[in-house]
Amino acid sequence: GEDVEQSLFLSVREGDSSVINCTYTDSSSTYLYWYKQEPGAGLQLLTYIFSNMDMKQDQRLTVLLNKKDKHLSLRIADTQTGDSAIYFCAEWAGTASKLTFGTGTRLQVTL
Amino acid sequence: DVKVTQSSRYLVKRTGEKVFLECVQDMDHENMFWYRQDPGLGLRLIYFSYDVKMKEKGDIPEGYSVSREKKERFSLILESASTNQTSMYLCASRKISGSVGEQYFGPGTRLTVT
Repeated sequence: GEDVEQSLFLSVREGDSSVINCTYTDSSSTYLYWYKQEPGAGLQLLTYIFSNMDMKQDQRLTVLLNKKDKHLSLRIADTQTGDSAIYFCAEWAGTASKLTFGTGTRLQVTL
Repeated sequence: DVKVTQSSRYLVKRTGEKVFLECVQDMDHENMFWYRQDPGLGLRLIYFSYDVKMKEKGDIPEGYSVSREKKERFSLILESASTNQTSMYLCASRKISGSVGEQYFGPGTRLTVT
């Protein structure tokens, strides 16, 4: 079955790196995604990674995928106060018509 | 840019009222979804639609129904609102072909049932 897990909360200091982790159970995942939700808003796609990749970098964001351990992480370099939000990971098996979302990690950035 | 809009950002309704939440997308996406979001529970799928006039139950369909008469519009209906349906409701759409399968979300409707 499908299950996606994340820790609920992470606090980092401004300027430090943040690492948000996610584990999933569906080995047939085709794409994995990271979404950001700012207060009072919907979810915005931040980045995604295809399952045959193990790393993707996009400016301050680095996504690492360990397919053997079914572990996905999002690293945000030089974290800013504007990065404070809830971050959701999600997976798509390719054959299903819906994504499976994690519970979300609330990132708090302190000065 | 894909745009998903929801009819209201904030809504206050009374117990027992019939409530309609509307969602419109402008990019001819086949799939549309309704979620509710509650603290600590993440996103829970209520209903989704593969295409026009098609609907499938999600994980928590009880107390809800949906309608998809036109491709761009997906409505969520609370037949008789109850206080435990107070929540943030998020609509999303997705294109199947020629994409990486990502979902696009609306801004959400925060519904309070008193």
